[in-house]
Parts: sequence; C-alpha cells; structure tokens
Amino acid sequence: AQSVTQPDIHITVSEGASLELRCNYSYGATPYLFWYVQSPGQGLQLLLKYFSGDTLVQGIKGFEAEFKRSQSSFNLRKPSVHWSDAAEYFCAVGLNDYKLSFGAGTTVTVRA
Amino acid sequence: SAVISQKPSRDICQRGTSLTIQCQVDSQVTMMFWYRQQPGQSLTLIATANQGSEATYESGFVIDKFPISRPNLTFSTLTVSNMSPEDSSIYLCSAQTGINEKLFFGSGTQLSVL
Repeated sequence: AQSVTQPDIHITVSEGASLELRCNYSYGATPYLFWYVQSPGQGLQLLLKYFSGDTLVQGIKGFEAEFKRSQSSFNLRKPSVHWSDAAEYFCAVGLNDYKLSFGAGTTVTVRA
Repeated sequence: SAVISQKPSRDICQRGTSLTIQCQVDSQVTMMFWYRQQPGQSLTLIATANQGSEATYESGFVIDKFPISRPNLTFSTLTVSNMSPEDSSIYLCSAQTGINEKLFFGSGTQLSVL
C-alpha cells in the first residue's frame, strides 16, 4: 500500500535562513509527487509537482523540490525563508492528479 | 485557475444531526472532490463528486453517511449525516479544471461535533 512520510512534525527557522522539508514515500511505481502549502484559514495551494523529466522541480514562491528515486524522497527546499512562509506543508503522492495520499504535514514557524 | 468557495467555514453541531457543506467554483470544472482532514492527521479523499450521477466513494466512506450532490459543473454539496464527535474534522472541497491540471482546494469547513 502507498504511504507518505513527513518525518518532521514541526520546524522552526529564522527569517532569511534556508528551509528543507523532508518527504519519503512508498509506492508500487513512480508516482506523481506534490507539495502543497496550507496557510492559516486558507485552502491548500499547490507549490509544485513532479510527473517526469528533470528531477529538480521549480515551484511558486521560490520553492523547489528534488525527486530522488533511489531514496524514494521528494524534499522541498527554499534558500531564504520569509515570514509569510509560516504555514503547514503537505507532501502528497498519487497515480494521478487527484487521488492523492497526503503526508501528515510539517508545520513551519518562522522567527524574526 | 479556479477559485473555490466553501460554506460554512466552521460549525458546531450536536450529535445525531446532519450538516450540509456547500462548494461553489467560479468556473466550470471537470472534477470535484471532497477530502477530510482529521485533527493532527493528513488529508483523506472521501469521494469524487460526479456531475449527474452518484458519487464515487473511497474505501471506508459510504453514501449513507456522506451523501454528495453535484447538480452542475460548478457546484457540489457534502452532507455529514447522523454526526458523532468522531466526525469532527476539516472538510475540504477541491476541483480540477481538466485531466492532468492541478488541483485547487477550498478553504475548508471546520466541523466540531459535541
């Protein structure tokens, strides 16, 4: 059965510092991979997705993620965090765009 | 793109009652879905809302508990029936404008059942 693991429940970073959120998956085949962000009181917003091709994917808001097949990972990164990046981040995998399995989420707190 | 409006945004309900959540999209979309986000947990797909036919439910979810309507290409409702405290969750509507297009989410309905 497919599963998605986000090992870090909560991460605190200083504004301007780099951020990396981890995501590991277990799937029968190479799935579609996604990162979503959920800000307080907001719906989920797609940051980026990977279907195939270049394993380094650029997303919105300065985020990028790298697919590593050998490690079954899809970690999200941002070189310099802004206070507005404080939110909950969800990694998701699926065989298509909508029937997704979501990780438990990582809450990011940004300190001044 | 698509903007999804959900209402109510939150509600507190009594055990045994039912609540209908509405989801309105600002443009016609091919697919609409309902997800549940239980406290401290990730999102789980409840069902696909099919326009003009019965919804397609995922394992663990049944029509009697979560009846869904989708009368047209921009609107869907989810009813949480005969509620119990275990139904306290955030319920999210989502939509997809086309095959392989990205998924848009509403802001969710936070339901608390007493």
